[in-house]
Amino acid sequence: AQKITQTQPGMFVQEKEAVTLDCTYDTSDPSYGLFWYKQPSSGEMIFLIYQGSYDQQNATEGRYSLNFQKARKSANLVISASQLGDSAMYFCAMSGGAGSYQLTFGKGTKLSVIP
Amino acid sequence: NAGVTQTPKFRVLKTGQSMTLLCAQDMNHEYMYWYRQDPGMGLRLIHYSVGEGTTAKGEVPDGYNVSRLKKQNFLLGLESAAPSQTSVYFCASRPGLAGVIGELFFGEGSRLTVL
Repeated sequence: AQKITQTQPGMFVQEKEAVTLDCTYDTSDPSYGLFWYKQPSSGEMIFLIYQGSYDQQNATEGRYSLNFQKARKSANLVISASQLGDSAMYFCAMSGGAGSYQLTFGKGTKLSVIP
Repeated sequence: NAGVTQTPKFRVLKTGQSMTLLCAQDMNHEYMYWYRQDPGMGLRLIHYSVGEGTTAKGEVPDGYNVSRLKKQNFLLGLESAAPSQTSVYFCASRPGLAGVIGELFFGEGSRLTVL
């Protein structure tokens, strides 16, 4: 069974500063994918970034990067140069390898960006 | 440019009433999912489908039924609504390409209140 743990219910960050949102996972699959989603107050789920378990380099998408440490089973999201619009809930999720159909989500971290 | 569309967006039910949530996607995706989101619980998988005519149970299937008679539609039914089913429901889809772990594409959510 897959499990995602997000230990930070809420985080605060000053505008223009960087912030790291923690995510640890547990799985017995040798192949898996890790995802981060953003949910603003309007409620929609926005895909941010993806990391495959066999990817050699950490994924990056604009101001988002995923700090993937396979031995520690962690997949932390780093947001650089925080903006007020980054205030939202952030969910870490994982999927098993080919043939595994489900995404398992963590409980989320609420990020608040302070002007 | 519709993507994943959920109907209705809001609904209030009385205990014991029945209703159906409709999810429609126009991306020709094989896999479709129903999640529920409750405060502090993240997203939990109710049921999913890996193709037309197939359905499978997720983490929290009790009290719900689903059908996938057409590839583009995935219906979630509540036969006898209970207050514990008050939640925000998200439909999602993803391509079913072999060997590809793809992100979920989400609908905007449906807020259901059971009195």
